[in-house]
Amino acid sequence: SQQGEEDPQALSIQEGENATMNCSYKTSINNLQWYRQNSGRGLVHLILIRSNEREKHSGRLRVTLDTSKKSSSLLITASRAADTASYFCASSSGNTGKLIFGQGTTLQVKP
Amino acid sequence: NAGVTQTPKFRVLKTGQSMTLLCAQDMNHEYMYWYRQDPGMGLRLIHYSVGEGTTAKGEVPDGYNVSRLKKQNFLLGLESAAPSQTSVYFCASSYYRGQETQYFGPGTRLLVL
Repeated sequence: SQQGEEDPQALSIQEGENATMNCSYKTSINNLQWYRQNSGRGLVHLILIRSNEREKHSGRLRVTLDTSKKSSSLLITASRAADTASYFCASSSGNTGKLIFGQGTTLQVKP
Repeated sequence: NAGVTQTPKFRVLKTGQSMTLLCAQDMNHEYMYWYRQDPGMGLRLIHYSVGEGTTAKGEVPDGYNVSRLKKQNFLLGLESAAPSQTSVYFCASSYYRGQETQYFGPGTRLLVL
């Protein structure tokens, strides 16, 4: 399987705490993206980090990329109950825009 | 601007029946993709298209066919449905050059009995 791996598979935290999810991929990439999926909905793009970048921020999101280890992490700071969702990393390589998704981390933020 | 829409939202099929899932986008995107999502798994690419009139196989293409006759539409066909094709199907599109973000539809839930 080409799928990437994510850990943990599930994460439960209290509102206000930080949540960290990790992703590993298998091939050289152009970029790595993170998506969010609320229950029963489609995926929504959160952030994209290119292969020549090491860290990127967007609001309460911080993404890091280590191409030598073929890994990335997503940090959500000061989590809110509304952050409860599944989070997927997706790696992009080649010139077709195809994405290889990880298996996802299910995040539950308790009020 | 509706983004990416999918029809139908839910369908029940009997083994051996056929059906077509329709994906439409109004963002003038060149690239379109069909994925399936199964419990506990991420999305797996079935077929994709890099432009009108073109299609290519993804990771799990067996049992599916696609067509992209118009730039805004991408059809996914199941010629003879099997229970293993019970899944949630997502369509996505992107304007690749300079913008690799994919925009997803709401999904079609398919149950094959």
